[in-house]
Amino acid sequence: NFMLTQPHSVSESPGKTVTISCTRSSGSISSNYVQWYQQRPGSAPTPVIYEDIQRPSGVPDRFSASIDRSSNSASLTISGLKTEDEADYYCQSYDSSIQVIFGGGTKLTVL
Amino acid sequence: EVQLVGSGGTVVQPGGSLRLSCAASGFTFDDYTMHWVRQAPGKGLEWVSLITWDGGSTYYADSVNGRFTISRDNSKNSVYLQMNSLRTEDTALYYCAREQGLYYFDNWGQGTLVTVSS
Repeated sequence: NFMLTQPHSVSESPGKTVTISCTRSSGSISSNYVQWYQQRPGSAPTPVIYEDIQRPSGVPDRFSASIDRSSNSASLTISGLKTEDEADYYCQSYDSSIQVIFGGGTKLTVL
Repeated sequence: EVQLVGSGGTVVQPGGSLRLSCAASGFTFDDYTMHWVRQAPGKGLEWVSLITWDGGSTYYADSVNGRFTISRDNSKNSVYLQMNSLRTEDTALYYCAREQGLYYFDNWGQGTLVTVSS
């Protein structure tokens, strides 16, 4: 199995842009889709990105994502930050032995 | 509207057993693979188990393999997690989640809390 490593926390001001990285420890990041979930305090996770770059209906286009093969990482970018974006964000992928893997999560503070 | 309602969480002693349930509504249940994901207090998400649409295939995280059993009853639109030989490290909020293709969880339940403590 591989690991997905995320920064523990990031912070940025309202209206700015922030990027959260998710680095795969072994194997290619592009081998298996990456999903991103938002979890607000006291709530269940909700998806904000699936299949590397797709946005579920209802998720604003301020949320975008990309895959970088050179750094073997996925990234979630949130532009025009709002205070409501303050939450924990998790990347998630899977491996060929049918194991689902989550990153450790990144706490986004909008201040 | 898709709804996943988890239940069955409680306080249990180490070594004990517990069965969690997740009742689904608002979609054709037997079209979907279902998962359990847990979250220890103040910690991140950890995948636990999955069961395919017909119950024909099940998979487990190494941390629970041999102790937990996932099952489903499509006639009752429900998925279950039988948890045996519980350990303190199994203390967590347990979420059921629907898979919308290739391990993408598009809907999650509200979670049911399991506390393993003497």
